[in-house]
Amino acid sequence: ILNVEQSPQSLHVQEGDSTNFTCSFPSSNFYALHWYRWETAKSPEALFVMTLNGDEKKKGRISATLNTKEGYSYLYIKGSQPEDSATYLCAQNVDAGNMLTFGGGTRLMVKP
Amino acid sequence: GAGVSQSPSNKVTEKGKDVELRCDPISGHTALYWYRQSLGQGLEFLIYFQGNSAPDKSGLPSDRFSAERTGGSVSTLTIQRTQQEDSAVYLCASSPRRGAAYEQYFGPGTRLTVT
Repeated sequence: ILNVEQSPQSLHVQEGDSTNFTCSFPSSNFYALHWYRWETAKSPEALFVMTLNGDEKKKGRISATLNTKEGYSYLYIKGSQPEDSATYLCAQNVDAGNMLTFGGGTRLMVKP
Repeated sequence: GAGVSQSPSNKVTEKGKDVELRCDPISGHTALYWYRQSLGQGLEFLIYFQGNSAPDKSGLPSDRFSAERTGGSVSTLTIQRTQQEDSAVYLCASSPRRGAAYEQYFGPGTRLTVT
């Protein structure tokens, strides 16, 4: 994998469903993996920054895991709510600085 | 406290004109970044500042693009002789300091339309 890739591109779920999506990234030169949530007409908001293989982070109903050896991260949302509707972006640092390489995002739509 | 602010929020300009986009980072944040999202594309890194210096300008798409930061605070992204392909949402972000583990705080963006 040469670039940061996210799947699926979009996802429609019903309120209450649990869901997950994937971020794949080059496993060489890994420094950190970021997840952001970007709601329409708002600024992207940081969810997690993960640096260690095996990291698991949780914020409320949202959690993420990281596998740096195989180059993937999963984002899980438990019991989706309409307010979770947003584009979820992952981004990778490929050096010790802050330059982020973003994936194309997963657009989540939660129907009431 | 105050977040990252950007101005203008929207800018419509004619092809060939110059535009300036402004970013006010969170007070005390030493690192500042510019990204853009063109229609149907992902977020693309343009340039970052550590203090007032920009060590890496390789992300700027052409020599029509330039950026500066003064006083370790406000940054201006200038696009000269705008082209239609410059139409995009330009996002600014800041971070307490340079480092992979620091999250970035984004502004609301400037939507640039070149007609």
